[in-house]
Order: sequence, then C-alpha cells, then structure tokens
Amino acid sequence: SAVISQKPSRDICQRGTSLTIQCQVDSQVTMMFWYRQQPGQSLTLIATANQGSEATYESGFVIDKFPISRPNLTFSTLTVSNMSPEDSSIYLCSVDSGGTEAFFGQGTRLTVV
Amino acid sequence: RKEVEQDPGPFNVPEGATVAFNCTYSNSASQSFFWYRQDCRKEPKLLMSVYSSGNEDGRFTAQLNRASQYISLLIRDSKLSDSATYLCVVRGGKLIFGQGTELSVKP
Repeated sequence: SAVISQKPSRDICQRGTSLTIQCQVDSQVTMMFWYRQQPGQSLTLIATANQGSEATYESGFVIDKFPISRPNLTFSTLTVSNMSPEDSSIYLCSVDSGGTEAFFGQGTRLTVV
Repeated sequence: RKEVEQDPGPFNVPEGATVAFNCTYSNSASQSFFWYRQDCRKEPKLLMSVYSSGNEDGRFTAQLNRASQYISLLIRDSKLSDSATYLCVVRGGKLIFGQGTELSVKP
C-alpha cells in the first residue's frame, strides 16, 4: 500500500492567481497521477508525472495551465495557474500499486472567486 | 459515448435491501476492472477488483462479462454505512472512471 499526504486540503483563491498543490508519498514510485474531479462528476486524469522527464498531459490539459514538478520519486506538485471560477474543483494525486490498486491523496478542494 | 458508463442513480434503499449497480465500458482491450467507493468529501478507495470468474467479498459480489463489456456490483443486506458513491473503474493503460452511482441507505 501507499500513504499519500496532500496539501492544502482546501483553499479559496482569487481569480488570476495560482495555487500549488503538493503530494508526498511514503514510498518511491515511478509515476504519479493528477486528477480533477469537478462538482458532481467523476475523476478526469490531468497528467502523469514522471521523475526526470516532463509530465505527460491528457487531451484538454496543457502545461502552461497545469505545470507539474516531479523532483524525486516521492514528491510531486501541481500548479493551477491564472485561475478562473471554472477551475473550482477537487484535485487529487494518485499512485499505482504495481498496476493494480490506485491510492489517492486526500484531495484539495479549490474554490476560485 | 462515454468510455465508462454507470447507472445514473441515486439509489435510495432501506437497510437490508439488495442493490445492484451496472457499468459498461467501450474499450474491448481494457485489461483490469475495479469498483471504488468514494465517501462524501473523501478520496476514492478500492472496494474490490473484478475478475471474469466473479468474486465475492462478504456482502459484495462483483462480476465481469468481457463479451458484453459489462461489470456489475451487488450489495446484499445493505447497511447505513454502505451509503457512498460507487465508481466503476477500468484500466486500459490509464485508469478511466465512471461518473459514479450514489447509494443512500436509509433506516
């Protein structure tokens, strides 16, 4: 199993600002994943964060809007840049356990006003 | 068509009821299948994996029909604590989540 510490747990931000979300894993993992869960909807993969290379973004998500860092095998950050109210959502980081079970951080509930 | 589709819900059932959730997926090359549970304002957690032979864990039974690209979850003798959103999840490279089916078990 994996234990993920994600912070902040929630934030209220002004439009046009940026927020960086951090995830710390208790073990070394090759890939970390960032998801968005909009109100009343399911999880959508934003990008896969690989250590030592650029993140791989899914269709509809771009690096300028969601820059990701992966400085080592236990840590990653996601920044939500130039925020608008449409970015209000829950953001979750995740790791896989050998391709079977996925473990999630507690989530960051973001409200943009 | 969504890659993973679930019953829209919500399901409101009395304690002790049996409830079944259905899920279909579009990618026939999908490799593995799961049901996750998400409590309100919490992160998703694995409930059980789903195998072609079917699998059971206490009151929960999951089944997979690869030919029909269909997954099900049966909950018997439902408890108040079963109230949550149940996510059907399919892996074909990356994880694809269904939109979730909300279950509310009432006394």
